Amino acid sequence: EAGVTQFPSHSVIEKGQTVTLRCDPISGHDNLYWYRRVMGKEIKFLLHFVKESKQDESGMPNNRFLAERTGGTYSTLKVQPAELEDSGVYFCASSGPTGLANYGYTFGSGTRLTVV
Amino acid sequence: QKEVEQNSGPLSVPEGAIASLNCTYSDRGSQSFFWYRQYSGKSPELIMSIYSNGDKEDGRFTAQLNKASQYVSLLIRDSQPSDSATYLCAVKGGYQKVTFGIGTKLQVIP
Repeated sequence: EAGVTQFPSHSVIEKGQTVTLRCDPISGHDNLYWYRRVMGKEIKFLLHFVKESKQDESGMPNNRFLAERTGGTYSTLKVQPAELEDSGVYFCASSGPTGLANYGYTFGSGTRLTVV
Repeated sequence: QKEVEQNSGPLSVPEGAIASLNCTYSDRGSQSFFWYRQYSGKSPELIMSIYSNGDKEDGRFTAQLNKASQYVSLLIRDSQPSDSATYLCAVKGGYQKVTFGIGTKLQVIP
């Protein structure tokens, strides 16, 4: 079974530019999550998709961040325009059926974003 | 108060010893509890999950949960240098959202 795939693994962009991160979850996983880890801080929740619908986007920092999951398969997270404080590692995770309390996540390898 | 509290460490233990990692959480409605291991530069990997009070054992790992005290722990028996990593405590509330602690860095000294 293929794991959660994220692309790119690293991205260095200038302040004000746009970056799009992609996540391919495990096939059949309806739940897809985006998290971010800023250096020295906890991994923070950004949002949760169930299939193509946004279940919870309470962690999105501001309207410069836009997440989509068209067709309920892969997801993209766009940052436009990027700011210095957006630097960090962006993790995508997926999990199986909602409602099973013990379902942990399978994480992708992350995208390390550096805004200069 | 942070939602999930962990001591960031580092916690150093000699090879073969028991490593004890602790975590407290603030939301009494939390339902499921997880321990993830993260090697430097890698993604978190789920190693244990627990949702009932008491102990759950899996190989050298034992997760302990005390909901009354809002406390979760992970014991690693016969610690090996390959166990050196950051261990993340994670707590799931009622809407599938998982909240992570900052992680405890474990160093197993040969």
